[in-house]
Amino acid sequence: DAGITQSPRYKITETGRQVTLMCHQTWSHSYMFWYRQDLGHGLRLIYYSAAADITDKGEVPDGYVVSRSKTENFPLTLESATRSQTSVYFCASSDQVSGSHNEQFFGPGTRLTVL
Amino acid sequence: AQSVAQPEDQVNVAEGNPLTVKCTYSVSGNPYLFWYVQYPNRGLQFLLKYITGDNLVKGSYGFEAEFNKSQTSFHLKKPSALVSDSALYFCAVRDSRGSTLGRLYFGRGTQLTVWP
Repeated sequence: DAGITQSPRYKITETGRQVTLMCHQTWSHSYMFWYRQDLGHGLRLIYYSAAADITDKGEVPDGYVVSRSKTENFPLTLESATRSQTSVYFCASSDQVSGSHNEQFFGPGTRLTVL
Repeated sequence: AQSVAQPEDQVNVAEGNPLTVKCTYSVSGNPYLFWYVQYPNRGLQFLLKYITGDNLVKGSYGFEAEFNKSQTSFHLKKPSALVSDSALYFCAVRDSRGSTLGRLYFGRGTQLTVWP
């Protein structure tokens, strides 16, 4: 049982390039999330998705695009990378059954450096 | 608006001593509260949650948390700290509003160091 995986684990890119970070979960969880972790800020939500083809903005969505054509995948694209997007990115998923309050499960993270 | 505050960036404690990592929250409606732990170069791992019921919640690795509604706090505790407990701890609150159900709002994290 692979759980939730992210790829690549490490990425170095240049300013202006497009970058896609992949997230895949094997649990068929309905909810998926993208966070970025920066020193002094904790985790900030970028985008989230309640189901396939349903996405919504979080706290810091500017410069990012997401899609969710399949339940198990939730890629995050930086359309034109900037140095301020250097960060560690975490994907998470959650099984949101009506009336429940289940925890989120996190992937191992992608460390992205924009030069 | 939902928010969480972790007033201490760092907590240092000797092995064998009790530890407390503090968290206060602000929510509209009922609070659903979570604690996560992050070890170096790893993702976050769920420790415990408070949804309703008993104010003392027990979780993984011997951790527990006390919900205090009047003080809007959800402090993480452990009776006897281990060196292996050294990690970054995050408190989070759940948004209970229907339109954004499922979102978590995280604190900035508290670095716990347990020395031998």
